Amino acid sequence: GAGVSQSPSNKVTEKGKDVELRCDPISGHTALYWYRQSLGQGLEFLIYFQGNSAPDKSGLPSDRFSAERTGGSVSTLTIQRTQQEDSAVYLCASKTGAREETQYFGPGTRLLVL
Amino acid sequence: EDQVTQSPEALRLQEGESSSLNCSYTVSGLRGLFWYRQDPGKGPEFLFTLYSAGEEKEKERLKATLTKKESFLHITAPKPEDSATYLCAVQGAQKLVFGQGTRLTINP
Repeated sequence: GAGVSQSPSNKVTEKGKDVELRCDPISGHTALYWYRQSLGQGLEFLIYFQGNSAPDKSGLPSDRFSAERTGGSVSTLTIQRTQQEDSAVYLCASKTGAREETQYFGPGTRLLVL
Repeated sequence: EDQVTQSPEALRLQEGESSSLNCSYTVSGLRGLFWYRQDPGKGPEFLFTLYSAGEEKEKERLKATLTKKESFLHITAPKPEDSATYLCAVQGAQKLVFGQGTRLTINP
């Protein structure tokens, strides 16, 4: 079946502009995660959605970062007033539910802020 | 705070030369330990989930084992296509925490 998909695959933007990154989870998966992977760094948790519960936003690095999940499926990560340090790969993952622990990752969006 | 340390950072092997990658962890209430493979420019690809000490799982040339403090990813008679970065992660009460990864290169 189809895996997690993300778009765009690459994004180049200028400092100060806003960007939106999209994630389509595996069909039927109720849990969705966003991570950031910077060059030479491990994966850094950003935000977690589980069903209709309030999202866990504890990993968002600043108030310039926000995410929403509409209809319990597609999610959008928005970065406002981008900075050069926001350059990284943004990865989305999903899993079937709260009891299942294995997360399945998408291919990522490579963001470069000039 | 949950922590994961992987070693070595990088490993070069000849084709057919078996070895092991280490993942040491500290976690409050382990709910799962995960191994992923990541190729350059791609997202992590799921390999194994281990839930309790003593558990082992195998897939082709890979075998993952788990103790209360560490996990090993054993690779037997590797091939060049096994070259990748291998990531270890633990799920505790809070979030999934990843190690820095081991970059494995298999030379033909």
